[in-house]
Amino acid sequence: NAGVTQTPKFQVLKTGQSMTLQCAQDMNHNSMYWYRQDPGMGLRLIYYSASEGTTDKGEVPNGYNVSRLNKREFSLRLESAAPSQTSVYFCASSALSGGDEQFFGPGTRLTVL
Amino acid sequence: GENVEQHPSTLSVQEGDSAVIKCTYSDSASNYFPWYKQELGKRPQLIIDIRSNVGEKKDQRIAVTLNKTAKHFSLHITETQPEDSAVYFCAASTYNNDMRFGAGTRLTVKP
Repeated sequence: NAGVTQTPKFQVLKTGQSMTLQCAQDMNHNSMYWYRQDPGMGLRLIYYSASEGTTDKGEVPNGYNVSRLNKREFSLRLESAAPSQTSVYFCASSALSGGDEQFFGPGTRLTVL
Repeated sequence: GENVEQHPSTLSVQEGDSAVIKCTYSDSASNYFPWYKQELGKRPQLIIDIRSNVGEKKDQRIAVTLNKTAKHFSLHITETQPEDSAVYFCAASTYNNDMRFGAGTRLTVKP
């Protein structure tokens, strides 16, 4: 039981390049989330998916897109990376939608030059 | 949207002392308040949570209190140990999944 997994662990991009961060969970959870973590700012919600087939914007969605591919997988895409998107990205999942423990993946450290 | 403020940003205590971290929230509809611990380079992990229909919850050395009227909640760690050193985050959410986190408190427990 791997829990929540993310790929890649590290990535360096040049400004304007695109990439997709992958996330998968094997806990049969309904809800999945993407956060970014910057020094001194805690975790900020980018997008979430309450259930398969639905996605919603969080606190900081600009510059990102998401896809809930199936119940297990939730990807985050940067279409045109900017230095302001340099951050650590965490994926999380929870059994229920709202008001439930979120289990986090190991994170992806992204640097945009 | 919800706004969560957390204090202090850093906290240093002697081993065996108690540590208290406080958070305030703005949205009266928030009903779920988790606390996460994050060690350096690791992922956040839930240590305790409380719902709006409960005023206090305790799990061994860790307790959380909630004051809905004042919109604040606190984490209490007793008999601190060096392994308690980490960054602690409070958070608040409603049933709409939009969880907002505080900026974090770096706790250092000196042996």
